[in-house]
Amino acid sequence: EVQLVESGGGLVQPGGSLKLSCAASGFTFSGSTMHWVRQASGKGLEWVGRIRSKANNYATAYDASLKGRFTISRDDSKNTAYLQMNNLKTEDTAVYYCARQRTGGSNDFWGQGNLVTVSS
Amino acid sequence: EIVLTQSPGTLSLSPGERATLSCRASQSVSSSYLAWYQQKPGQAPRLLIYGASSRATGIPDRFSGSGSGTDFTLTISRLEPEDFAVYYCQHYGSSPTWTFGQGTKVEIK
Repeated sequence: EVQLVESGGGLVQPGGSLKLSCAASGFTFSGSTMHWVRQASGKGLEWVGRIRSKANNYATAYDASLKGRFTISRDDSKNTAYLQMNNLKTEDTAVYYCARQRTGGSNDFWGQGNLVTVSS
Repeated sequence: EIVLTQSPGTLSLSPGERATLSCRASQSVSSSYLAWYQQKPGQAPRLLIYGASSRATGIPDRFSGSGSGTDFTLTISRLEPEDFAVYYCQHYGSSPTWTFGQGTKVEIK
């Protein structure tokens, strides 16, 4: 059974940093592209970025609006993807989901979501 | 950047009725790269359709997707009580960055 479990969320002050984790099981994590998607309360889904596999040089891509504040990485030995968030702003407050990319595209499995609150 | 615009914002229907949801792209996209998701309150999104018209594993055949170019449609042939939710379209694949539409809420009339 495919499982994605996010952790690391919580309350952080504006300007602070936070690192989310996404622990995967039930599939070949090392061969998969992993995505992060966020959703502010009562709002729609917003694509954050993705990291490809080692075979694709761990290539990353991000939504342009993030302007270099977020970094996605992975540790295939731990079957875990990460989202490092720096210089956080109140508008980054959201539930953050990790999701697996299915072969050919789209996201077929999602984590349960992890709430990040940026507030003083 | 491709922008996806979904309409209507809210669709008020009764169980058993047909639902037709629209997703319009700001420029032509390959139908291979268009997906639809369902999201219920407090839950993660669920993949319904990929490649514009292929149902994901376990998705009932009352859900169907169609379209090409800039206009895509998700149709729910007969609404079941569990189908009342928010639906999102997504463009993926042809560029490094992916985008979602703003969503259509299907509510009980």
